[in-house]
Amino acid sequence: DTEVTQTPKHLVMGMTNKKSLKCEQHMGHRAMYWYKQKAKKPPELMFVYSYEKLSINESVPSRFSPECPNSSLLNLHLHALQPEDSALYLCASSPLGQGPEQYFGPGTRLTVT
Amino acid sequence: RKEVEQDPGPFNVPEGATVAFNCTYSNSASQSFFWYRQDCRKEPKLLMSVYSSGNEDGRFTAQLNRASQYISLLIRDSKLSDSATYLCVVNGDTGFQKLVFGTGTRLLVSP
Repeated sequence: DTEVTQTPKHLVMGMTNKKSLKCEQHMGHRAMYWYKQKAKKPPELMFVYSYEKLSINESVPSRFSPECPNSSLLNLHLHALQPEDSALYLCASSPLGQGPEQYFGPGTRLTVT
Repeated sequence: RKEVEQDPGPFNVPEGATVAFNCTYSNSASQSFFWYRQDCRKEPKLLMSVYSSGNEDGRFTAQLNRASQYISLLIRDSKLSDSATYLCVVNGDTGFQKLVFGTGTRLLVSP
């Protein structure tokens, strides 16, 4: 079952709030990803974790802080965001060593007010 | 030049039509190629991987031309449910972990 779950589905936060996005997969995948997608644009890679270690940070502002507590979980901590950070945040996972296909969760639609 | 280029469309076709999408990529070292489908306000879903020998999955056929750095997707007997945005995806410079997405081609299938 290629299922990645994300919570919450929707999030509205003020610019001074701190919130977290959560992602979970139980497929035994050892790579997990955060993407940001604006309307009518393709997903943009933010972070990659391999074997629970951060392997790629695409020069993302420090107001976004990723965390990988274990091989099944991925969090994205948000602090002092800007309205332009409003977007769909997608989590994905892939089975390292078995092919690079990535499987996406349904996303969290974030609105920063 | 963008790393992955696609015609944004939209492609408007009637049910039952055959439609083809094309994609070009700039990194000759790319080794993995995919088509993803994305419905409005939903996540991208893997449609199929693309292999050098070409591959088919039901009504969908994908082709890869490494010499021309060109990927195609053919959809036969279009269904209303095929209406979506089709994203051409290749692996990026840092290897398999980084996928680069094209901007997508929008398909609208009408009755």
